[in-house]
Amino acid sequence: GAGVSQTPSNKVTEKGKYVELRCDPISGHTALYWYRQSLGQGPEFLIYFQGTGAADDSGLPNDRFFAVRPEGSVSTLKIQRTERGDSAVYLCASSLTKVGGGSAGELFFGEGSRLTVL
Amino acid sequence: GQNIDQPTEMTATEGAIVQINCTYQTSGFNGLFWYQQHAGEAPTFLSYNVLDGLEEKGRFSSFLSRSKGYSYLLLKELQMKDSASYLCAGLNTGGFKTIFGAGTRLFVKA
Repeated sequence: GAGVSQTPSNKVTEKGKYVELRCDPISGHTALYWYRQSLGQGPEFLIYFQGTGAADDSGLPNDRFFAVRPEGSVSTLKIQRTERGDSAVYLCASSLTKVGGGSAGELFFGEGSRLTVL
Repeated sequence: GQNIDQPTEMTATEGAIVQINCTYQTSGFNGLFWYQQHAGEAPTFLSYNVLDGLEEKGRFSSFLSRSKGYSYLLLKELQMKDSASYLCAGLNTGGFKTIFGAGTRLFVKA
């Protein structure tokens, strides 16, 4: 596609439920990132994929959060037993490569999935 | 740590020049990005500095001093559409993780 696509754009769920958020990166981008953004804050790093593997998942807040990218393209962020504090906009971004090789490694963001946990 | 600090809000007048500062802990980062984020939208890339000095790109310029852990974004000939949040972000020394500051909300008034 032309840009990073995220679905759903909005998700309202109840405390304790399971949710999945999907990200379809720009074709050919090997690096994929998940960030979380709360109102008035900058994006908070969650996890980074290079290809199919999670190269850095140090930002995942706890074991309720998990992400996969089985074929090196589409990624799914999974949140179990949701809590009210999980409410935020979840941003996915992709980049051509890491810094180097003529690329600044700038991130191309999707429009985000707004998660509201009641 | 990898603290990135920038002012919370700034206000400037249409047609003027504004400088948004960012400071960071030098041990954590290889380069500095600036992103623009309009309310309710995704961040978009503005600039990247890996070497010291000023990079100019149209109305926007970005400066980096690695020894001082300091960067700024300079916006000239401000337009109303420049009202947005400006995010300073550091690229970690591993070269793949971008860490964002809280952002500076810029209000451009007529």
